Amino acid sequence: QKEVEQDPGPLSVPEGAIVSLNCTYSNSAFQYFMWYRQYSRKGPELLMYTYSSGNKEDGRFTAQVDKSSKYISLFIRDSQPSDSATYLCAMSGGSSASKIIFGSGTRLSIRP
Amino acid sequence: ETGVTQSPTHLIKTRGQQVTLRCSSQSGHNTVSWYQQALGQGPQFIFQYYREEENGRGNFPPRFSGLQFPNYSSELNVNALELDDSALYLCASSLGAGRSGTEAFFGQGTRLTVV
Repeated sequence: QKEVEQDPGPLSVPEGAIVSLNCTYSNSAFQYFMWYRQYSRKGPELLMYTYSSGNKEDGRFTAQVDKSSKYISLFIRDSQPSDSATYLCAMSGGSSASKIIFGSGTRLSIRP
Repeated sequence: ETGVTQSPTHLIKTRGQQVTLRCSSQSGHNTVSWYQQALGQGPQFIFQYYREEENGRGNFPPRFSGLQFPNYSSELNVNALELDDSALYLCASSLGAGRSGTEAFFGQGTRLTVV
């Protein structure tokens, strides 16, 4: 079993829709939870991070962490074609403090 | 754009050869981590360097080695290249080991093709 599980998609939604991306994980020692966006042939770009449980909002993006369920989510409101990319969930902490463990990424396409 | 730069952007090598990839970390950052990203997968941690010392290693064989220099730039060396080494190699810089999750900035990557 992988430490971090993420549905690879692809996910296609119309412009303006609310997008929900999710990951589950197995290591209860994880403390930092991140979402990265990666455009084709580019490096990952840090979108949001959350320490421990809770919600965090930044513009159209909201990250949620539920440590009791080992489940994290990223919501994108009013989605735009420019949001089309691969979204990677990622985690670190505990014995994995020096490294980031990534999910496999979800390919998202926003249709104009 | 982040301040992390990697070179070269692309290269093609033959199986059995050796390759060196380079990374300049963001100004003020003293920690560099290397990741391998196969097509359609998330990045996999190779190792991390903090103040010129290796500080954590993933599940990669010894033919993957690295260096960090006094200016905190870094090299990734891969010996005896195999076809499965074909991937995007990513460098991430951060301030302080153990804080790599919150403040890790990635470069654009080096796409290595082994033929």
